[in-house]
Amino acid sequence: GAGVSQSPSNKVTEKGKDVELRCDPISGHTALYWYRQSLGQGLEFLIYFQGNSAPDKSGLPSDRFSAERTGGSVSTLTIQRTQQEDSAVYLCASSTGVVSNTGELFFGEGSRLTVL
Amino acid sequence: SQQGEEDPQALSIQEGENATMNCSYKTSINNLQWYRQNSGRGLVHLILIRSNEREKHSGRLRVTLDTSKKSSSLLITASRAADTASYFCAHVGSNFGNEKLTFGTGTRLTIIP
Repeated sequence: GAGVSQSPSNKVTEKGKDVELRCDPISGHTALYWYRQSLGQGLEFLIYFQGNSAPDKSGLPSDRFSAERTGGSVSTLTIQRTQQEDSAVYLCASSTGVVSNTGELFFGEGSRLTVL
Repeated sequence: SQQGEEDPQALSIQEGENATMNCSYKTSINNLQWYRQNSGRGLVHLILIRSNEREKHSGRLRVTLDTSKKSSSLLITASRAADTASYFCAHVGSNFGNEKLTFGTGTRLTIIP
């Protein structure tokens, strides 16, 4: 597809289970970002990738959160031992350039995570 | 927190009126961007203004930037019902190597037909 694709679109899980969220960026985009958005709130930065490297992972809330990117393309955000406070929409975005210059982010539709 | 703040949090206006949203931030910036989010959807980029620019236009959108006050405003002229959405500003700090786009808290705009 032409846009950023995220899966699953909805995930309901039980507290303590692990979840994986996937992001397929726009082809050729070297930068990839993960954000978290709680209900009615702004976006909380989690991590960004340039290629397969993560120069800034300062936003990951705890060591239960990890992310990887392979082949400079698909990224997976993993949350271990989920807690109810992890419930949110997880948004992925990609960019062809660096945002410090003229790069704009292209967002996916998000993965809505509900932890019971 | 480096998160920006937006004002007002919510705004309701009649169709055809102009809507103005304001954004403040705390650091020196490289650029500031505005995004729009329809309910339950991802964000869509609207406009980018660089730190050395003061005003920029795109269709019915006008963005201003005042780096001395660390603030920006987004004006939507001749509003339409389809403009109903949440609007977020986002900035990139000017410190070397910073590629983190920090978003504000958003303004929820409702256009009344």
